[in-house]
Amino acid sequence: QLVLTQAPSASASLGASVRLTCTLTSEHNNYAITWHQQQPEKGPRYLMKLDSDGSHNKGDGIPDRFSGSSSGAERYLTISSLQSEDEADYYCQTWVTGTLWVFGGGTKLTVL
Amino acid sequence: QITLKESGPTLVKPTQTLTLTCTFSGFSLNNTGVSVGWIRQPPGKALEWLAVICWDENKHYSPSLKRRLTITKDTSKNQVVLTMTNMDPVDTATYYCVNGPDGDYPTYWGQGILVTVSS
Repeated sequence: QLVLTQAPSASASLGASVRLTCTLTSEHNNYAITWHQQQPEKGPRYLMKLDSDGSHNKGDGIPDRFSGSSSGAERYLTISSLQSEDEADYYCQTWVTGTLWVFGGGTKLTVL
Repeated sequence: QITLKESGPTLVKPTQTLTLTCTFSGFSLNNTGVSVGWIRQPPGKALEWLAVICWDENKHYSPSLKRRLTITKDTSKNQVVLTMTNMDPVDTATYYCVNGPDGDYPTYWGQGILVTVSS
């Protein structure tokens, strides 16, 4: 069964960097994922598609501070030079072509 | 510029059927590789995928909700319609319409519509 696991919460200081993790089930460790940001009281926004080799394609207007990387079954979202507006929920998503989409449970990022 | 907007009732009674319409602009569902899907989010909870329809009429549904969902498209109106039968209070959520490539993942999101199920 295809499952994405995310830590419920994370925190980092203003101006620092943070790395969020999305873990695929081991038998799906070659799957690509997408990252989405949901700021408080807003709808989600697409950040990027992240492949298993770490290559990623960002959405329109996504700052360079957002980057992605991969290692095995783990997919990472790194946000550098944290700003207050980065405080949000971050969701990863993957898919089985022609069958279904799956979302992770989301990570709530607090900027201290 | 791609935009999507959800419309429909904001309050439905238990056992009723919910019909939501997504009206979009900036792309055509006649074009190869284009898809439109629906995702929902109960208050304070995570995102849940519901269904997606592709340019070639292929449709895919969440296995857990498949029996209750129908997704259709009207390319002449640039609209996608989702129906969900036998609504229950646990179906209370914000429902989002999304656009994406090849029926694989969302790249553009609508603003969402909060649907409350209550008698």
